[in-house]
Amino acid sequence: NAGVMQNPRHLVRRRGQEARLRCSPMKGHSHVYWYRQLPEEGLKFMVYLQKENIIDESGMPKERFSAEFPKEGPSILRIQQVVRGDSAAYFCASSRGTGGQPQHFGDGTRLSIL
Amino acid sequence: GIQVEQSPPDLILQEGANSTLRCNFSDSVNNLQWFHQNPWGQLINLFYIPSGTKQNGRLSATTVATERYSLLYISSSQTTDSGVYFCAVQGGSEKLVFGKGMKLTVNP
Repeated sequence: NAGVMQNPRHLVRRRGQEARLRCSPMKGHSHVYWYRQLPEEGLKFMVYLQKENIIDESGMPKERFSAEFPKEGPSILRIQQVVRGDSAAYFCASSRGTGGQPQHFGDGTRLSIL
Repeated sequence: GIQVEQSPPDLILQEGANSTLRCNFSDSVNNLQWFHQNPWGQLINLFYIPSGTKQNGRLSATTVATERYSLLYISSSQTTDSGVYFCAVQGGSEKLVFGKGMKLTVNP
Protein backbone atom coordinates (compact mmCIF):
# COMPACT_ATOMS: atom_id res chain seq x y z
CA ASN A 1 0.00 0.00 0.00
CA ALA A 2 1.92 2.99 -1.28
CA GLY A 3 2.28 6.00 0.98
CA VAL A 4 1.98 9.64 0.05
CA MET A 5 4.11 10.25 -3.04
CA GLN A 6 5.68 13.62 -3.71
CA ASN A 7 7.75 14.63 -6.69
CA PRO A 8 10.20 15.87 -7.41
CA ARG A 9 12.27 15.28 -4.26
CA HIS A 10 14.50 18.22 -5.12
CA LEU A 11 13.71 21.16 -7.36
CA VAL A 12 16.02 23.98 -8.33
CA ARG A 13 14.64 27.14 -9.92
CA ARG A 14 16.01 30.56 -10.78
CA ARG A 15 14.34 33.67 -9.50
CA GLY A 16 11.27 34.54 -11.58
CA GLN A 17 10.60 30.97 -12.77
CA GLU A 18 7.63 28.81 -11.86
CA ALA A 19 7.75 25.82 -9.53
CA ARG A 20 5.24 22.96 -9.65
CA LEU A 21 5.15 20.44 -6.83
CA ARG A 22 3.10 17.27 -7.09
CA CYS A 23 1.47 15.09 -4.48
CA SER A 24 -0.39 11.81 -4.85
CA PRO A 25 -2.29 10.89 -1.67
CA MET A 26 -2.45 7.44 -0.15
CA LYS A 27 -4.92 5.08 -1.74
CA GLY A 28 -8.37 5.69 -0.33
CA HIS A 29 -7.53 9.19 0.93
CA SER A 30 -9.43 12.13 -0.48
CA HIS A 31 -8.12 14.90 1.80
CA VAL A 32 -4.82 16.59 0.98
CA TYR A 33 -2.83 19.13 2.99
CA TRP A 34 0.26 21.16 2.11
CA TYR A 35 2.77 22.37 4.70
CA ARG A 36 5.93 24.43 4.35
CA GLN A 37 9.07 24.12 6.44
CA LEU A 38 11.48 27.03 6.30
CA PRO A 39 15.11 26.34 7.29
CA GLU A 40 15.51 25.58 11.01
CA GLU A 41 11.77 25.95 11.63
CA GLY A 42 8.74 23.76 12.21
CA LEU A 43 6.11 22.98 9.63
CA LYS A 44 3.42 25.56 8.88
CA PHE A 45 0.05 24.78 7.33
CA MET A 46 -0.62 26.22 3.89
CA VAL A 47 -3.77 24.74 2.37
CA TYR A 48 -6.31 21.92 2.72
CA LEU A 49 -8.07 20.48 -0.32
CA GLN A 50 -10.56 17.82 -1.18
CA LYS A 51 -11.20 16.64 -4.73
CA GLU A 52 -11.81 19.73 -6.88
CA ASN A 53 -12.31 21.97 -3.82
CA ILE A 54 -10.13 24.21 -1.70
CA ILE A 55 -11.46 23.91 1.83
CA ASP A 56 -9.01 26.06 3.83
CA GLU A 57 -6.30 28.25 2.32
CA SER A 58 -5.70 30.38 5.38
CA GLY A 59 -1.97 29.60 5.36
CA MET A 60 -1.30 30.40 1.72
CA PRO A 61 0.59 33.56 0.81
CA LYS A 62 -1.80 35.96 -0.90
CA GLU A 63 0.20 36.23 -4.12
CA ARG A 64 2.06 33.83 -6.43
CA PHE A 65 0.91 30.65 -4.66
CA SER A 66 -1.95 28.42 -5.77
CA ALA A 67 -3.05 24.84 -5.21
CA GLU A 68 -5.39 22.41 -6.87
CA PHE A 69 -6.57 18.85 -6.45
CA PRO A 70 -8.31 17.86 -9.68
CA LYS A 71 -10.79 15.05 -10.10
CA GLU A 72 -8.10 13.00 -11.81
CA GLY A 73 -4.39 13.14 -11.01
CA PRO A 74 -2.23 14.48 -8.21
CA SER A 75 -2.58 17.62 -6.17
CA ILE A 76 -0.39 20.47 -7.46
CA LEU A 77 1.18 23.31 -5.48
CA ARG A 78 2.20 26.03 -7.90
CA ILE A 79 4.52 28.92 -7.11
CA GLN A 80 4.83 31.61 -9.75
CA GLN A 81 7.74 34.03 -10.12
CA VAL A 82 9.74 32.38 -7.34
CA VAL A 83 11.91 34.43 -5.02
CA ARG A 84 14.79 33.42 -2.72
CA GLY A 85 12.46 33.39 0.28
CA ASP A 86 10.46 30.54 -1.28
CA SER A 87 13.38 28.18 -0.64
CA ALA A 88 11.99 25.60 1.76
CA ALA A 89 10.83 22.02 2.14
CA TYR A 90 7.23 21.54 1.07
CA PHE A 91 5.40 18.58 2.57
CA CYS A 92 2.14 17.05 1.49
CA ALA A 93 -0.08 14.97 3.75
CA SER A 94 -3.28 13.05 3.20
CA SER A 95 -6.03 11.65 5.41
CA ARG A 96 -8.97 9.35 4.96
CA GLY A 97 -11.45 11.74 6.51
CA THR A 98 -11.94 14.67 8.82
CA GLY A 99 -12.54 15.15 12.53
CA GLY A 100 -9.16 14.10 13.84
CA GLN A 101 -8.12 11.42 11.37
CA PRO A 102 -4.33 10.96 11.30
CA GLN A 103 -2.43 12.71 8.53
CA HIS A 104 0.19 10.73 6.61
CA PHE A 105 3.12 12.67 5.19
CA GLY A 106 5.20 12.34 2.07
CA ASP A 107 8.97 12.77 1.99
CA GLY A 108 8.70 16.38 0.88
CA THR A 109 10.04 18.46 -1.99
CA ARG A 110 13.09 20.58 -1.29
CA LEU A 111 12.86 23.74 -3.34
CA SER A 112 16.01 25.77 -3.86
CA ILE A 113 15.95 29.18 -5.55
CA LEU A 114 19.15 30.40 -7.19
CA GLY B 1 -5.42 29.68 17.34
CA ILE B 2 -4.11 26.73 19.28
CA GLN B 3 -0.56 27.01 20.63
CA VAL B 4 1.91 24.13 20.90
CA GLU B 5 5.01 24.23 23.06
CA GLN B 6 7.70 21.57 23.16
CA SER B 7 10.41 21.08 25.75
CA PRO B 8 13.30 20.83 25.98
CA PRO B 9 14.34 22.57 22.73
CA ASP B 10 17.58 20.60 22.51
CA LEU B 11 18.91 17.46 24.14
CA ILE B 12 22.24 15.67 23.95
CA LEU B 13 22.46 12.09 25.19
CA GLN B 14 24.91 9.27 25.34
CA GLU B 15 23.86 6.08 23.63
CA GLY B 16 21.81 3.93 25.99
CA ALA B 17 20.28 6.80 27.96
CA ASN B 18 16.55 7.42 28.34
CA SER B 19 14.73 10.67 27.60
CA THR B 20 11.31 12.28 27.93
CA LEU B 21 9.98 14.91 25.54
CA ARG B 22 7.03 17.06 26.51
CA CYS B 23 4.35 18.74 24.41
CA ASN B 24 1.91 21.25 25.92
CA PHE B 25 -1.07 22.56 23.98
CA SER B 26 -3.42 25.41 24.74
CA ASP B 27 -6.83 23.99 23.86
CA SER B 28 -8.72 20.74 23.48
CA VAL B 29 -7.62 18.61 20.54
CA ASN B 30 -9.06 15.77 18.51
CA ASN B 31 -5.75 14.67 17.04
CA LEU B 32 -2.19 14.60 18.30
CA GLN B 33 0.73 13.14 16.38
CA TRP B 34 4.43 12.73 17.18
CA PHE B 35 6.93 12.82 14.33
CA HIS B 36 10.65 12.21 13.96
CA GLN B 37 12.42 14.17 11.24
CA ASN B 38 15.59 12.31 10.40
CA PRO B 39 18.83 13.94 9.20
CA TRP B 40 17.71 13.42 5.59
CA GLY B 41 14.62 15.53 6.22
CA GLN B 42 12.07 12.74 6.06
CA LEU B 43 9.13 13.07 8.43
CA ILE B 44 8.41 9.76 10.14
CA ASN B 45 5.10 9.35 11.92
CA LEU B 46 5.73 7.85 15.37
CA PHE B 47 2.36 7.96 17.08
CA TYR B 48 -1.21 9.03 16.50
CA ILE B 49 -2.27 9.58 20.10
CA PRO B 50 -5.09 12.05 20.87
CA SER B 51 -5.43 10.35 24.26
CA GLY B 52 -4.12 7.39 26.23
CA THR B 53 -0.86 5.49 26.03
CA LYS B 54 0.82 3.62 23.19
CA GLN B 55 4.08 1.75 22.86
CA ASN B 56 6.17 0.83 19.84
CA GLY B 57 9.44 -0.88 20.66
CA ARG B 58 11.72 1.48 22.58
CA LEU B 59 9.30 4.37 22.11
CA SER B 60 6.13 5.08 24.00
CA ALA B 61 3.78 8.04 24.27
CA THR B 62 1.13 9.24 26.65
CA THR B 63 -1.43 12.00 26.10
CA VAL B 64 -3.44 13.43 28.98
CA ALA B 65 -6.02 15.37 27.01
CA THR B 66 -7.77 16.84 30.08
CA GLU B 67 -4.48 18.41 31.21
CA ARG B 68 -3.42 19.34 27.67
CA TYR B 69 -0.04 17.64 27.42
CA SER B 70 1.64 14.69 25.82
CA LEU B 71 4.90 12.91 26.61
CA LEU B 72 7.17 10.93 24.31
CA TYR B 73 9.55 8.47 25.98
CA ILE B 74 12.66 7.15 24.29
CA SER B 75 14.41 4.33 26.12
CA SER B 76 17.89 2.94 25.48
CA SER B 77 18.56 5.63 22.90
CA GLN B 78 20.58 4.84 19.76
CA THR B 79 22.48 7.10 17.40
CA THR B 80 19.76 6.53 14.81
CA ASP B 81 17.31 8.28 17.16
CA SER B 82 19.08 11.57 16.41
CA GLY B 83 17.04 14.19 14.60
CA VAL B 84 14.21 16.56 15.37
CA TYR B 85 11.04 15.45 17.14
CA PHE B 86 7.80 17.30 16.45
CA CYS B 87 4.50 17.29 18.23
CA ALA B 88 1.49 18.39 16.14
CA VAL B 89 -2.11 18.87 17.17
CA GLN B 90 -5.43 19.37 15.46
CA GLY B 91 -8.03 21.46 17.25
CA GLY B 92 -11.09 23.13 15.80
CA SER B 93 -9.97 22.95 12.18
CA GLU B 94 -8.50 20.23 9.99
CA LYS B 95 -4.96 21.64 9.90
CA LEU B 96 -2.16 20.31 12.06
CA VAL B 97 -0.38 22.89 14.21
CA PHE B 98 3.24 21.94 14.84
CA GLY B 99 5.49 22.78 17.74
CA LYS B 100 8.96 24.18 17.07
CA GLY B 101 10.53 20.78 17.56
CA MET B 102 13.15 19.26 19.84
CA LYS B 103 16.58 18.51 18.43
CA LEU B 104 17.98 15.26 19.81
CA THR B 105 21.61 14.28 19.43
CA VAL B 106 22.65 10.82 20.56
CA ASN B 107 26.39 10.34 20.80
CA PRO B 108 28.04 6.92 20.55
